[in-house]
Amino acid sequence: LAKTTQPISMDSYEGQEVNITCSHNNIATNDYITWYQQFPSQGPRFIIQGYKTKVTNEVASLFIPADRKSSTLSLPRVSLSDTAVYYCLVGEVGDMRFGAGTRLTVKP
Amino acid sequence: DAGITQSPRHKVTETGTPVTLRCHQTENHRYMYWYRQDPGHGLRLIHYSYGVKDTDKGEVSDGYSVSRSKTEDFLLTLESATSSQTSVYFCAISGGRGQTNYGYTFGSGTRLTVV
Repeated sequence: LAKTTQPISMDSYEGQEVNITCSHNNIATNDYITWYQQFPSQGPRFIIQGYKTKVTNEVASLFIPADRKSSTLSLPRVSLSDTAVYYCLVGEVGDMRFGAGTRLTVKP
Repeated sequence: DAGITQSPRHKVTETGTPVTLRCHQTENHRYMYWYRQDPGHGLRLIHYSYGVKDTDKGEVSDGYSVSRSKTEDFLLTLESATSSQTSVYFCAISGGRGQTNYGYTFGSGTRLTVV
């Protein structure tokens, strides 16, 4: 079971790039790394997933170093609507455990 | 999200009564999960299912049971509700083994209050 560690909270301003790093020292060979976003009163929403190196989609990038013991979610040019809790997950079915996540607050 | 619905959305019940929450999916996904979310604890896995009639316990399964008689439905039952089970309950589905190449899709949640 790969436990994850993320910062509890982060503040940013509109238009800035935000990087949230997650540590997962015990990640297994077959584990993928997935990030989710959650707004108040809603279920988490899938953002991005990767196994190694870099993955980019229309909303974010995910950077994974060669040792895979950490990963960084990068949100380019954040807006007020990006204020949410962000979760990093690794593991297999049945062992998918959410940590406390990172509460990102974007200020005007 | 489209393809997964939870019912009811809100429920208030009395201590000691049985309660059943329903999760329904139209995606034909193999895996279904029940999580609860409480302040200070994030989301915690209660039970999950990897196929019809195939279920297993998560990290906080005490006081809960589940059933999956059809691919599309996953039921969570609180046999005798307690105040400690007041929470927001989320159902999730995924198509593959865990999240390997597949993300989870979550429902909108059920807010349960036990008085």
